[in-house]
Amino acid sequence: GAVVSQHPSRVICKSGTSVKIECRSLDFQATTMFWYRQFPKKSLMLMATSNEGSKATYEQGVEKDKFLINHASLTLSTLTVTSAHPEDSSFYICSAPGQGGDTQYFGPGTRLTVL
Amino acid sequence: GQQLNQSPQSMFIQEGEDVSMNCTSSSIFNTWLWYKQEPGEGPVLLIALYKAGELTSNGRLTAQFGITRKDSFLNISASIPSDVGIYFCAGQPIGEGGSEKLVFGKGTKLTVNP
Repeated sequence: GAVVSQHPSRVICKSGTSVKIECRSLDFQATTMFWYRQFPKKSLMLMATSNEGSKATYEQGVEKDKFLINHASLTLSTLTVTSAHPEDSSFYICSAPGQGGDTQYFGPGTRLTVL
Repeated sequence: GQQLNQSPQSMFIQEGEDVSMNCTSSSIFNTWLWYKQEPGEGPVLLIALYKAGELTSNGRLTAQFGITRKDSFLNISASIPSDVGIYFCAGQPIGEGGSEKLVFGKGTKLTVNP
């Protein structure tokens, strides 16, 4: 199947700083990518849809200015958590649709801890 | 909005036993996917279902897409310790205007005792 990578896998930062997470499709192009957040023992919560060449589409309740998304190319989307606070600590996962758009492949996730 | 009701929430079984879990919804789905997630990792696609009634196998795993396109089950035969993890169903709703968004079930946590 298609491979999606994320970087970094883990990040610890101080409150008030910004953190950038990268999501790459390694062997295919993705005009759309998805960003999820997952709390412990919970399911995945869709945060936003990242669109190459246009603005991201955010789900209800997700702050656009807090979680900045940039789809820089057909293989790269970035999520920047701005002015991070401890409540932003979570597991962030991206995904990209496979060819035809009827499957999705997930990255390995990024564990963010805000002190 | 669309919701997937996944059950059971957790299962504790002995190695060698068969496992069955399912997802239901009041909405119709275009595509049904089953994922496995291990701690600290992203979900890994196990089986993808596209046609109503479709029955698909992947090794010891078998999944079926319901005739009404509103439900699916996943079976694991002869479980082994490495089957441990959380299994999620996910569906692509019909009528989302071409969106590739997925709706996820809440997961089934599987524990296999050696």
